[in-house]
Amino acid sequence: EAQVTQNPRYLITVTGKKLTVTCSQNMNHEYMSWYRQDPGLGLRQIYYSMNVEVTDKGDVPEGYKVSRKEKRNFPLILESPSPNQTSLYFCASSLGTGNSYEQYFGPGTRLTVT
Amino acid sequence: GENVEQHPSTLSVQEGDSAVIKCTYSDSASNYFPWYKQELGKRPQLIIDIRSNVGEKKDQRIAVTLNKTAKHFSLHITETQPEDSAVYFCAASISGQAGTALIFGKGTTLSVSS
Repeated sequence: EAQVTQNPRYLITVTGKKLTVTCSQNMNHEYMSWYRQDPGLGLRQIYYSMNVEVTDKGDVPEGYKVSRKEKRNFPLILESPSPNQTSLYFCASSLGTGNSYEQYFGPGTRLTVT
Repeated sequence: GENVEQHPSTLSVQEGDSAVIKCTYSDSASNYFPWYKQELGKRPQLIIDIRSNVGEKKDQRIAVTLNKTAKHFSLHITETQPEDSAVYFCAASISGQAGTALIFGKGTTLSVSS
C-alpha cells in the first residue's frame, strides 16, 4: 500500500531533550516536506527537500533540522525542543516538485513540549 | 515574504446551498494552486488543483477559478452535503533553492447543516 508513515504519532517530552520524528514514504517520491499545524495558523512549511542531499528552509525553520540521506526517509530533528514547538506535525511527499504534483500527507505527529 | 490570504475563516451553510472560499496570493510567479480538505482528526487530502494556464476547472460538485491578473483564486462547492464539513486549505507554489514549495492559507472551517 502506497503511504507516508510518521513515528511517533504522539510524543510528550521536556524542554531541551533532543528528539527525532521519522518520516518514510514507499512511493519513490522525490519531493518531501515537513509542516506544522497550529490553530488559526494553518499549515506552515518547516523544511522541504527536492531529492537526496537537497533541502531548503520553509516558512518556519528555526529550531528544526532535517536530513535527506535516502530518498524514502526525511527525519525532522529538534535539537533542543521548547514549548513553542508544541504542535501537530505533518510530513508529506510528492512525485515531483511542489508545483505540479499532489502532496500525500502522513498521519501526523502530535508533539507536546513541557 | 510571500503569503496566501484565505477568506472566510469560518463558513456555515445549509445543506444544498453553495459555498465559496477565496484566496489571494502575493508571488506573481506562482503557477500551481491546489486545494486540500482536512476532516476532523485526519490528514489533509487534495481535492482539486489548477495551473496558471487554466482559468477554471471542475470536478463534479467542486470547481476552482483562477484570476492571475488579480492574483486570486476561489473554490466553489455546489449542492453542499454534511460530509463536506471540514477545514479547507488553499495553497500557492513558490520557488526556492531546493525546488518549489507550497504556501498554505490559514484554512476555512466549513460547516454544512442538514
